[in-house]
Amino acid sequence: NAGVTQTPKFQVLKTGQSMTLQCAQDMNHEYMSWYRQDPGMGLRLIHYSVGAGITDQGEVPNGYNVSRSTTEDFPLRLLSAAPSQTSVYFCASSLWTGSSSPLHFGNGTRLTVT
Amino acid sequence: GNSVTQMEGPVTLSEEAFLTINCTYTATGYPSLFWYVQYPGEGLQLLLKATKADDKGSNKGFEATYRKETTSFHLEKGSVQVSDSAVYFCALEYGNKLVFGAGTILRVKS
Repeated sequence: NAGVTQTPKFQVLKTGQSMTLQCAQDMNHEYMSWYRQDPGMGLRLIHYSVGAGITDQGEVPNGYNVSRSTTEDFPLRLLSAAPSQTSVYFCASSLWTGSSSPLHFGNGTRLTVT
Repeated sequence: GNSVTQMEGPVTLSEEAFLTINCTYTATGYPSLFWYVQYPGEGLQLLLKATKADDKGSNKGFEATYRKETTSFHLEKGSVQVSDSAVYFCALEYGNKLVFGAGTILRVKS
């Protein structure tokens, strides 16, 4: 049982490049989300999805796109990378929203934009 | 708006010391409250939760009580171990979203 799998683990981009961070879960979870973790700021929600075909913005969505074509996958796209997007990115999923269904996190992707 | 404030770290303790990590929140309504823990190189994992006022969440010797009157959810453990060294995040839930505090680094020395 793999849980939440994120790839790649590390990535270095130049300003202006685009890339996709991959996230897959094998737990049949309806809810998936992306967070970024920055020192002194905790985790901030970028985008989330409550099911296939449904996405919504979180606290810091600018510069990022998402789609949810299947239940299992929730990729995060950076359209034109900026140094301000240097961060550690976490994907998380849960069976449904609500306190009875805790979030399961991947191990993160460390992104550096130069 | 909804927000969580945690005590700044790092917190450095000797093994078997008593631990308190303070967490206060601002929210409309009565959110569910959580503590998540992040071990080095890993993602976060749920440590404990409380869904209503006066609820006590507990797990692995850690406890936290949902205090509506002081809008607090402080994390405590009676006797810490080196293996408890990690980053601890307090969080609240509203709607479909979790709001996290900044995290508190705990270092336990043997």
